[in-house]
Amino acid sequence: EPEVTQTPSHQVTQMGQEVILRCVPISNHLYFYWYRQILGQKVEFLVSFYNNEISEKSEIFDDQFSVERPDGSNFTLKIRSTKLEDSAMYFCATGEGTSNQPQHFGDGTRLSIL
Amino acid sequence: AQSVAQPEDQVNVAEGNPLTVKCTYSVSGNPYLFWYVQYPNRGLQFLLKYITGDNLVKGSYGFEAEFNKSQTSFHLKKPSALVSDSALYFCAVRDWAAGNKLTFGGGTRVLVKP
Repeated sequence: EPEVTQTPSHQVTQMGQEVILRCVPISNHLYFYWYRQILGQKVEFLVSFYNNEISEKSEIFDDQFSVERPDGSNFTLKIRSTKLEDSAMYFCATGEGTSNQPQHFGDGTRLSIL
Repeated sequence: AQSVAQPEDQVNVAEGNPLTVKCTYSVSGNPYLFWYVQYPNRGLQFLLKYITGDNLVKGSYGFEAEFNKSQTSFHLKKPSALVSDSALYFCAVRDWAAGNKLTFGGGTRVLVKP
């Protein structure tokens, strides 16, 4: 069964540094999402991306965050200047379409900010 | 705004006994409801969904869920639990009129004892 692949599995970074998290979507999927889960808290929506642009974003997704699909395959989340509170598990999800189709999640990237 | 509540942090059940994981939701429009399961160090795996139609939906690994509109609930059930069902279970809702983002409950840890 096709899978969403995320790299790296664990990223340790100094506060203030930039990080890029990568995701390879399932090949025929057109809708891409990032979620995060701070330890012990709920899974939270960050952003959705379709047709090379952001379609929806949450309050968490401020100017420090950006997403892109630089080469038509990888889907990336960039945090420009990391803060301690950015430490979390970040999940990429992809979907065939809107409405009734489920989103398929990768195994996540654990981001630790020191 | 949409929200999901999973009132139980943990459910303990003996192997072979029925398993129920509770979920209630709140949306302004019509809900699309999903259950996901998370095993250690893995992403969220889709189990089943309710979109419309029959209130009892069947999914992977013998799980089913019952949609109850009047009680705004979508409880996950399995008639006979296995030790391998021990995992973290998440209920999620998408308001069809409010974009594609999923809103998750806090998760319920299921422990099935032999």
